[in-house]
Amino acid sequence: DAGVTQSPTHLIKTRGQQVTLRCSPKSGHDTVSWYQQALGQGPQFIFQYYEEEERQRGNFPDRFSGHQFPNYSSELNVNALLLGDSALYLCASSLARGGLVIIQYFGPGTRLTVL
Amino acid sequence: DAKTTQPPSMDCAEGRAANLPCNHSTISGNEYVYWYRQIHSQGPQYIIHGLKNNETNEMASLIITEDRKSSTLILPHATLRDTAVYYCIVRVVRGNRDDKIIFGKGTRLHILP
Repeated sequence: DAGVTQSPTHLIKTRGQQVTLRCSPKSGHDTVSWYQQALGQGPQFIFQYYEEEERQRGNFPDRFSGHQFPNYSSELNVNALLLGDSALYLCASSLARGGLVIIQYFGPGTRLTVL
Repeated sequence: DAKTTQPPSMDCAEGRAANLPCNHSTISGNEYVYWYRQIHSQGPQYIIHGLKNNETNEMASLIITEDRKSSTLILPHATLRDTAVYYCIVRVVRGNRDDKIIFGKGTRLHILP
């Protein structure tokens, strides 16, 4: 059973460009959450998708957008990249209908470097 | 802001038990305690969770005080591979709804050979 997978592993972009990161959830999971982790910090919640809709959003600007597909996979898009967007981007999946206790499982992350 | 307080770093000798404390004095009755760890440059790994009873799985044990204001994660026989940042998190569980995880700074655990 494959866990959460993310692509690409690493990415280098320049300021002003746009980037798309991809996530495939753990088999059977229906909810995808995205986090940004700057160097030396804990992960920060960006947003969460459930049933192809954004359900929750953290304190991130509209330059950060996402999408969830019918197969539950998800994309994170960042427009007009800034140097400060350099970070490890983490995807986590969970099963919202999994009962009382819900566990988010994380992927390995995509390391984005903005030059 | 994170609802937990953890020491920034700890050392433990290989083969000994590692005991990681967490303070969550404002925890609510419907909040669970979760522990994750993050090995350098990897995604966080789920370890264990609990509500009020002590819990044990193949990775660790979780001891929650009776008043639920603090907890301890125990790695019974630490190995070098347990060197990581350990995050203690409290989360509301709302039934058919997942919720965001708010990470604090965690505890950087060094296992010494």
